[in-house]
Amino acid sequence: SQTIHQWPATLVQPVGSPLSLECTVEGTSNPNLYWYRQAAGRGLQLLFYSVGIGQISSEVPQNLSASRPQDRQFILSSKKLLLSDSGFYLCAWNPGRREQFFGPGTRLTVL
Amino acid sequence: AQSVTQLDSQVPVFEEAPVELRCNYSSSVSVYLFWYVQYPNQGLQLLLKYLSGSTLVESINGFEAEFNKSQTSFHLRKPSVHISDTAEYFCAVSEDNYGQNFVFGPGTRLSVLP
Repeated sequence: SQTIHQWPATLVQPVGSPLSLECTVEGTSNPNLYWYRQAAGRGLQLLFYSVGIGQISSEVPQNLSASRPQDRQFILSSKKLLLSDSGFYLCAWNPGRREQFFGPGTRLTVL
Repeated sequence: AQSVTQLDSQVPVFEEAPVELRCNYSSSVSVYLFWYVQYPNQGLQLLLKYLSGSTLVESINGFEAEFNKSQTSFHLRKPSVHISDTAEYFCAVSEDNYGQNFVFGPGTRLSVLP
């Protein structure tokens, strides 16, 4: 069966520091991958999605970037974090069917 | 482009009472509809989905939702809620066959009171 992992589970970073969040999917190949952000008390905002290695589409201009160095690995990065980057980051994958499946999330607090 | 409205941001209800969480969408084409549930500090779990066929879909834990095309709605219902149903519920709509173009509603926080 397929599983999706995210790490770290929680992260506290100072303003201006770099960021790297990782997402990996097991048990499938060539998945579509997505990064969402969920701010406190708000819905989900799609940040990036990828349909293959090296193929990244950005939905919202911001100081975040994404990369897909391997088929089942999706990384969210920033060179300098802002206070507004705090939130709950969710990775999701799509197996070619219509629904998306989500990872456990990473809680990021920027101080 | 499609959009999703969940009019109720919070729904408090007593244990064993019925509940309905409302979801309305707008789209110019055929859609696929989903309900996800999120427990505190966890990811979203797919609760149920409408892709085609019967307009009434059910989950394994007693929830059901009915697709109403004329009213562009996909309301979620449960006849008797439990404390463990306390969570955030998200309605989502997709217009494509590959699940790439998802739009989520803002969510409804269901609080089940003893």
